[in-house]
Amino acid sequence: GAGVSQSPRYKVTKRGQDVALRCDPISGHVSLYWYRQALGQGPEFLTYFNYEAQQDKSGLPNDRFSAERPEGSISTLTIQRTEQRDSAMYRCASSSSGSEQYFGPGTRLTVT
Amino acid sequence: AQRVTQPEKLLSVFKGAPVELKCNYSYSGSPELFWYVQYSRQRLQLLLRHISRESIKGFTADLNKGETSFHLKKPFAQEEDSAMYYCAPDNYGQNFVFGPGTRLSVLP
Repeated sequence: GAGVSQSPRYKVTKRGQDVALRCDPISGHVSLYWYRQALGQGPEFLTYFNYEAQQDKSGLPNDRFSAERPEGSISTLTIQRTEQRDSAMYRCASSSSGSEQYFGPGTRLTVT
Repeated sequence: AQRVTQPEKLLSVFKGAPVELKCNYSYSGSPELFWYVQYSRQRLQLLLRHISRESIKGFTADLNKGETSFHLKKPFAQEEDSAMYYCAPDNYGQNFVFGPGTRLSVLP
């Protein structure tokens, strides 16, 4: 069907608030990845899932960041007590074979 | 530690000139190598992967294990090639790392 979708596309939040970013992968894709991208830099790996199992969360910067994919499809990346340094583009990608990744449009998060 | 370097942040060439975007990696194991591209106002997408040995949009990339390089080349650049290019080794889904990117600007 359609490609990877993410919502919201833009999120402005005040410092200290929690935010939840959603990723809807391509139907049937086993693997789902989260990245963060600061302006002028490449995507920075955060975490990835195979089905509902979180395989690697070594890229999550601290315990304010968490992700889940409870039914092996849609995933949510949650940032608690946001800080200004969390402002970035958050990108989601999915893959059927663990190789080529298909990216969503990203969520631009701004913490004021 | 896994590292990817793309030494040029910006590369400007004239239309019709050859272009080479450099990528060097420091990786354990035998990663698969990819180039991803992001055109203006579009999402990041795969350009090519070394294992397929294809030429996509006139681009090729040769994996040099001795030099741990995976440079992207095109003999005659076109204006529509202007974009951000990211080199990305993938150790089969583990520690997926993107390079910092090179902005290619093809001038008329």
